[in-house]
Amino acid sequence: NSKVIQTPRYLVKGQGQKAKMRCIPEKGHPVVFWYQQNKNNEFKFLINFQNQEVLQQIDMTEKRFSAECPSNSPCSLEIQSSEAGDSALYLCASSLGVQDTQYFGPGTRLLVL
Amino acid sequence: SQLAEENPWALSVHEGESVTVNCSYKTSITALQWYRQKSGEGPAQLILIRSNEREKRNGRLRATLDTSSQSSSLSITATRCEDTAVYFCATETGFASALTFGSGTKVIVLP
Repeated sequence: NSKVIQTPRYLVKGQGQKAKMRCIPEKGHPVVFWYQQNKNNEFKFLINFQNQEVLQQIDMTEKRFSAECPSNSPCSLEIQSSEAGDSALYLCASSLGVQDTQYFGPGTRLLVL
Repeated sequence: SQLAEENPWALSVHEGESVTVNCSYKTSITALQWYRQKSGEGPAQLILIRSNEREKRNGRLRATLDTSSQSSSLSITATRCEDTAVYFCATETGFASALTFGSGTKVIVLP
């Protein structure tokens, strides 16, 4: 069973508001992935980290999304100015290595009104 | 667009019956993974099958891989109500080793 912790489980924001969610990876996992899962069950990779360093991120992430994984603190994903289309389940996954099995948290369900 | 697609979109079976979910993919792969996502949870990996393997088992689960037809199947025998979930196949892309998931098959196991 995954031990990835994500908070909050639910987040409701108005358009234009900031939305911030956090992830605590499994102990000893230096790699963290963020994915967005929409209501049609389509997954979109957003960004990944190894320790505190960004490995890769998609263009969308570079514009309104920001993320970090500081040492000794939870990782976070923040949407600077939420849009209705950002409503989705945001999943955090951690792994021992970039090509190792990814263990997912339960997700943060964001609703942008 | 998804690199992997499952079919059917949804199906139901009664407890104790077997069920099979299929997946087709469009790119060359080194491995294919099957995940299960229960309501309110994140996906959990069930089986990873590498491109040089034709079959892999994990308890009541059996995955097959046919690289010539670029397809895979996941079979569950002796289904239980707790097998009710959405089943996804996923492949690893070269971009950041991120996973690309299919759209999923919803499996409902009825008592």
